[in-house]
Amino acid sequence: GENVEQHPSTLSVQEGDSAVIKCTYSDSASNYFPWYKQELGKGPQLIIDIRSNVGEKKDQRIAVTLNKTAKHFSLHITETQPEDSAVYFCAASTGGGGFKTIFGAGTRLFVKA
Amino acid sequence: DVKVTQSSRYLVKRTGEKVFLECVQDMDHENMFWYRQDPGLGLRLIYFSYDVKMKEKGDIPEGYSVSREKKERFSLILESASTNQTSMYLCASSLTGGGYGGYTFGSGTRLTVV
Repeated sequence: GENVEQHPSTLSVQEGDSAVIKCTYSDSASNYFPWYKQELGKGPQLIIDIRSNVGEKKDQRIAVTLNKTAKHFSLHITETQPEDSAVYFCAASTGGGGFKTIFGAGTRLFVKA
Repeated sequence: DVKVTQSSRYLVKRTGEKVFLECVQDMDHENMFWYRQDPGLGLRLIYFSYDVKMKEKGDIPEGYSVSREKKERFSLILESASTNQTSMYLCASSLTGGGYGGYTFGSGTRLTVV
């Protein structure tokens, strides 16, 4: 069946450094790719998303890139801060059509002060 | 502030008990979802609903059922709780079925079955 692979499972960076999380999806019908941040004791929260007609999207310190040919998409966080420490999930879905959203297994990011 | 509210943060139930997890959203969303979150496995879809009284099985529906009598409320039912249902349960809602605009999640219910 369809799946989304996410790497790494754990990432530790120094404050101020960049962090990159990568995902690969298998369903070629996927056209919407959201990223969620889950802080301790909370549910996942959408932080950025990208649609398949766009190759890159940026929002302040976070950016997402999408390579549809290779079925890869990545989250980039620059100038990391301790409050960026959380679990990050990528997901792939068919967007407005259908109800299929597949989540990656998650990446636990530690930002050391 | 828009919200998805799950009625319990922590629950401890005995094996064989019938368990109800309640979820309420105030965004007038058509679509609601129940996910299960386990370490290393990400979020797995149990059931979803795209309208009142409508429900569809997700990837892991065995041992669960759902109820959606009102648009704002989506309940997950464990018919006879078992220890392998010990997990974090997350409710979510969305404007579109496939999630354009993302899902809004509740804070989760951590269920322990003993």
